[in-house]
Amino acid sequence: GESVGLHLPTLSVQEGDNSIINCAYSNSASDYFIWYKQESGKGPQFIIDIRSNMDKRQGQRVTVLLNKTVKHLSLQIAATQPGDSAVYFCAEEGGGGGATNKLIFGTGTLLAVQP
Amino acid sequence: EADIYQTPRYLVIGTGKKITLECSQTMGHDKMYWYQQDPGMELHLIHYSYGVNSTEKGDLSSESTVSRIRTEHFPLTLESARPSHTSQYLCASSRVNEQFFGPGTRLTVL
Repeated sequence: GESVGLHLPTLSVQEGDNSIINCAYSNSASDYFIWYKQESGKGPQFIIDIRSNMDKRQGQRVTVLLNKTVKHLSLQIAATQPGDSAVYFCAEEGGGGGATNKLIFGTGTLLAVQP
Repeated sequence: EADIYQTPRYLVIGTGKKITLECSQTMGHDKMYWYQQDPGMELHLIHYSYGVNSTEKGDLSSESTVSRIRTEHFPLTLESARPSHTSQYLCASSRVNEQFFGPGTRLTVL
């Protein structure tokens, strides 16, 4: 079935460095992808999204890259700060299409920012 | 901050009790969702709703039930709680693609 997974369960970076969190997806028909950030004790928060007709999208300090050829998604965080420490999830929209907007979540990556 | 609320935030309850987890949103979203999440793990969809009087089971089988009588309210009920129901339950809503999440209810069944 469809699945979304992350390559690295834990990523430790120094404050000020750039972070890259990777995600692989298996459904080549998915056309919408989202990155969420989840801090301890809270629900996931939207970071950035991208549609399959794009290969790159930038936000404030974050960039999402989509490589449809290898079904790979990545989240880049520039100048990582202690407040970026959280679990990051990628998700793809699949199974039901636009009517339901069902998201399939991958296993999270814990980003630990060292001061 | 999204306008979606869940109560209670934490619940510790004994086996066999009936519980209802509340979820409300003030954004007027038609679509609402319930996810189950174990610590550090991915979110699993257990229920969703297209709108009032519409409910569907999600990808993960769950003994819970839901109702959608009003647009803003999407409660989840467990008729008889068991230790295997111990988990975090997250509610979300959406208008188009982006889902907005509530803070979650951490349920512990003893």
